[in-house]
Amino acid sequence: DIQMTQSPSTLSASVGDRVTITCRASQSINNWLAWYQQKSGEAPKLLISQASSLESGVPSRFSGGGSGTEFTLTISSLQPDDFATYYCQQYNSYSRTFGQGTKVEIK
Amino acid sequence: EVQLLESGGGLVQPGGSLRLSCAASGFTFHIYAMNWVRQAPGKGLEWVSATSGSGVSTYYADSVKGRFTISRDNSKNTLYLQMNSLRAEDTAIYYCAKARGGFDYWGLGTLVTVSS
Repeated sequence: DIQMTQSPSTLSASVGDRVTITCRASQSINNWLAWYQQKSGEAPKLLISQASSLESGVPSRFSGGGSGTEFTLTISSLQPDDFATYYCQQYNSYSRTFGQGTKVEIK
Repeated sequence: EVQLLESGGGLVQPGGSLRLSCAASGFTFHIYAMNWVRQAPGKGLEWVSATSGSGVSTYYADSVKGRFTISRDNSKNTLYLQMNSLRAEDTAIYYCAKARGGFDYWGLGTLVTVSS
């Protein structure tokens, strides 16, 4: 199975900061990568698919990049609504593994 | 409007069984692959199982293979997860999710607690 590893596990940042989360796959997944945001007590929300394609309604301060085995999620200017946990997920294979998550906390 | 509504969760003893359901509306159900994803208390997301639009193809995480069975009834726009031989480590919120590459719609989840 493909393993997904996110870093960091926790990120402390302030409103207005630029933050980047990294996700690494144990083998090439081409661009078949999604990013999700999950707030406490809620279901996850799809932010980005195919590594860099922003879903409808997602603010443009979110962006995704990378290909092959290394990917990034960047928030260009962190807003109060962005404090949450973020997950990457590969969908190159039918075993749709998630990363372990990155919690973005208020500094 | 796309809606996914899970049901069937509850408290069950170790070794017991439960059947989860996910009622779908607002989209052409039979076209899309559907998935179950779970989240143990305070933990991350774990993909559990998937089925193709027709239901012919099914896939499972190693942690549930041989114990869980995914199925769908396209005439009822409903997804199911039959869970047998439940263990304490199966305790989690179970979400159903519609697949369009990434999982673009999720239900609110149903809580399964495995405890004696």
